[in-house]
Amino acid sequence: AQKITQTQPGMFVQEKEAVTLDCTYDTSDQSYGLFWYKQPSSGEMIFLIYQGSYDEQNATEGRYSLNFQKARKSANLVISASQLGDSAMYFCAMREISSGSARQLTFGSGTQLTVLP
Amino acid sequence: NAGVTQTPKFRVLKTGQSMTLLCAQDMNHEYMYWYRQDPGMGLRLIHYSVGEGTTAKGEVPDGYNVSRLKKQNFLLGLESAAPSQTSVYFCASSYGAGRSEQYFGPGTRLTVT
Repeated sequence: AQKITQTQPGMFVQEKEAVTLDCTYDTSDQSYGLFWYKQPSSGEMIFLIYQGSYDEQNATEGRYSLNFQKARKSANLVISASQLGDSAMYFCAMREISSGSARQLTFGSGTQLTVLP
Repeated sequence: NAGVTQTPKFRVLKTGQSMTLLCAQDMNHEYMYWYRQDPGMGLRLIHYSVGEGTTAKGEVPDGYNVSRLKKQNFLLGLESAAPSQTSVYFCASSYGAGRSEQYFGPGTRLTVT
């Protein structure tokens, strides 16, 4: 079974509008971390935001926020006031901390976001 | 501060040839990782290391070997390249597990013909 599911292969958003990228995850661990990375067309992987399973507040980093709904096992990325430079592939990833695989990230298949002028 | 660097950036191999990809980090990170990225898929872990002299298998280790002789370097070897190993390879490092983010190198695009 897939551990990270990103159901939106592609998304379009108008410049200056907000957009939500969906991510659901599957784990039986109580302790885990959720990450979002951005991959522009140049190819590098850029860390955006982190949410721990025990964090009480939703994570925020500038224009990025994470809508964490633990009971639904979802960790959606919200980008506010979209900019043309936000056009990229976005990956959700999970690290299960309490199990033996504490060191590796499991990635979703990604969402290609295109910001329209 | 270069972060994570990878050598080479591009390579074309013929089936059966061997090669080594080099990853270097200057952040004194304990953990290092090798991933591959194929079209339409996220990154998949090949091998990883939790410290100098240690290595462990990830999700897709077959056909690859790794070595971590020095803390700052993590080598990925292909002994007999196959077309199925055509991919983009990313190296990453992190200070630890848990909350630590992984820092990625720029990637190596490998084509096996």
